[in-house]
Amino acid sequence: QQQVKQSPQSLIVQKGGISIINCAYENTAFDYFPWYQQFPGKGPALLIAIRPDVSEKKEGRFTISFNKSAKQFSLHIMDSQPGDSATYFCAAKGPGNKLTFGGGTRVLVKP
Amino acid sequence: NAGVTQTPKFRVLKTGQSMTLLCAQDMNHEYMYWYRQDPGMGLRLIHYSVGEGTTAKGEVPDGYNVSRLKKQNFLLGLESAAPSQTSVYFCASSRGVRSTDTQYFGPGTRLTVL
Repeated sequence: QQQVKQSPQSLIVQKGGISIINCAYENTAFDYFPWYQQFPGKGPALLIAIRPDVSEKKEGRFTISFNKSAKQFSLHIMDSQPGDSATYFCAAKGPGNKLTFGGGTRVLVKP
Repeated sequence: NAGVTQTPKFRVLKTGQSMTLLCAQDMNHEYMYWYRQDPGMGLRLIHYSVGEGTTAKGEVPDGYNVSRLKKQNFLLGLESAAPSQTSVYFCASSRGVRSTDTQYFGPGTRLTVL
């Protein structure tokens, strides 16, 4: 039983479009919510992260929206580029800096 | 700085064989982690270490053992491999235990157990 549920499993978006990935969690002990980006054959790398006392965080074309009452958060990729094609994982951190990952979303950006 | 490195990159085992995966980090990080990645399940924590000489169980520890004899190295052992252990294994390290301490991942080891 996954503590962090992620959807969709995959999505295709045209270059310049918006990619949206959603995650939901149950454990209220989670206190930090990072997103990781993974390219084929590589390990995950931190993309952007948010604390639960903030509703939105933006870094370049990447934005996290956070809804604490609904226990949901999402990643928006604006102006999607072919180089953004990767697998994205949402995650949640609890005590001891341990990560709980969502199942991942494979994003394909078509030129 | 090489960051986090993993050895080997690929391995094929027969059921019942044993092997050790090596993780090394050159960032002087206290914390190290082993995860496995399976399709649709994200990454799941196997074991972790909060410092040299310490180890602790994660979410899916059964069938694995670990050791952290040196601060820079974290070893993952499979004593008797099973097909269910076919997976991609990632090692990670972090400076500390705060939630804002980023975990840095290695490139992974793809293991197939026949």
